[in-house]
Amino acid sequence: SQKIEQNSEALNIQEGKTATLTCNYTNYSPAYLQWYRQDPGRGPVFLLLIRENEKEKRKERLKVTFDTTLKQSLFHITASQPADSATYLCALVSRMNTGFQKLVFGTGTRLLVSP
Amino acid sequence: DTGVSQNPRHKITKRGQNVTFRCDPISEHNRLYWYRQTLGQGPEFLTYFQNEAQLEKSRLLSDRFSAERPKGSFSTLEIQRTEQGDSAMYLCASSQDSLSYEQYFGPGTRLTVT
Repeated sequence: SQKIEQNSEALNIQEGKTATLTCNYTNYSPAYLQWYRQDPGRGPVFLLLIRENEKEKRKERLKVTFDTTLKQSLFHITASQPADSATYLCALVSRMNTGFQKLVFGTGTRLLVSP
Repeated sequence: DTGVSQNPRHKITKRGQNVTFRCDPISEHNRLYWYRQTLGQGPEFLTYFQNEAQLEKSRLLSDRFSAERPKGSFSTLEIQRTEQGDSAMYLCASSQDSLSYEQYFGPGTRLTVT
C-alpha cells in the first residue's frame, strides 16, 4: 500500500540548533516533493519544492534533500528560532490515471523550538 | 488581503443538517482544490476544479458532498445530512496553471457536528 510517513512524535530542540525532519514514502514515484508549514488553526503554507532530479534545494535557513533511491526527503532548519515552532508537512505530487496530479500529504511532524 | 479566503471560519451544526462553505481563491488562479483535515492528520484531497469544471473527485467524497465553482471564481462545498464523522477542518487551496504545483491554502472552515 502507499504510505507517506513522518515522525508523529514532536521534535524538541533548543534555539540555534539545526532541526531535521524526515519524510519517508513507499509505493510512490513522485516527480515532485513539497514541504509546507502549518500553524494551529491555520491552513498550510508552502515552503519549498524539490524535483526528482534535484538532490538538494535551499531557501534562506531551509534546506531540503530528496533521495529517490531511499524514498526519503529530509527537511532542515538551521539556526532555529522559537518562531519556527509549527507542524511541518511533506507532500508528494501523485499522478492519477486521468493525468491529474494531486498532492498527497504526510501526517506532519510538530517542531518545538525552545529559547 | 489577496490570499485565499474561506467562510465561515467555524460552523457548529446538528447531525442531519445541511451546511455550505465558501472559498474565494486568489483572483488569477484558475485551479481550486478542497481538502479535509482531521486532528493529527495531513490534509486529504477531496476535489479539484480547473476554472468551472470539476475534473477530479476523491473516493472519500460521498454522495452527500457536492462542490461547485460557477463561472470559475468562488467555490462552494455543501454537505447534506451531516454526520458526526464529517467533523473536520475543510481547507480550500488555489494555484496557477503552471508546473510548480505550489498551492496556496485558505484558513479553513472548522466544522463540528453534534
